[in-house]
Amino acid sequence: KNEVEQSPQNLTAQEGEFITINCSYSVGISALHWLQQHPGGGIVSLFMLSSGKKKHGRLIATINIQEKHSSLHITASHPRDSAVYICAVTFGNEKLTFGTGTRLTIIP
Amino acid sequence: DTEVTQTPKHLVMGMTNKKSLKCEQHMGHRAMYWYKQKAKKPPELMFVYSYEKLSINESVPSRFSPECPNSSLLNLHLHALQPEDSALYLCASSQDESRFQPQHFGDGTRLSIL
Repeated sequence: KNEVEQSPQNLTAQEGEFITINCSYSVGISALHWLQQHPGGGIVSLFMLSSGKKKHGRLIATINIQEKHSSLHITASHPRDSAVYICAVTFGNEKLTFGTGTRLTIIP
Repeated sequence: DTEVTQTPKHLVMGMTNKKSLKCEQHMGHRAMYWYKQKAKKPPELMFVYSYEKLSINESVPSRFSPECPNSSLLNLHLHALQPEDSALYLCASSQDESRFQPQHFGDGTRLSIL
């Protein structure tokens, strides 16, 4: 079965801390997405990657194809980063398979 | 502000009502999606339209009826819904249905069935 697992489920940190959210998947993928969902509900696509590393501002996403693992890092975390972060993958030609999300809370 | 606009933002309706959710994008995307998301759960795909034709129907009950009148608009017609249909309904679009294209999501419509 094609599965996506995220850890941790919940993460609370102090403002300024370095944050890491992990995503593991069961079989080879075509692409991996990191998404951000704020309490209001809207989802923002942060990264799409199939290899290597991508950086946008304070956000960094990495993927290790051999280990079937991706990480999302946030440097100098800020309360506005508080959101649910979702890893989603495409197995072959199939639809997006979503992880269960990581609820991040940054305390001032 | 997102590039995918969904209306209304909130909707409360009775089980006998008929209502429609609307989604609009002007990015020239040719694939559009409806997702349903229950609280603290990941989104679940409902329908995919590709070039204005229904491409995927994930065995959604017929009380949900999608419509794609043109390449910029996607509707979801609702009729005789059940309380368990209360959820956040998200629309998304992508350049095409290719698995290498990122999806752009709207802010969703929060639906409550009385």
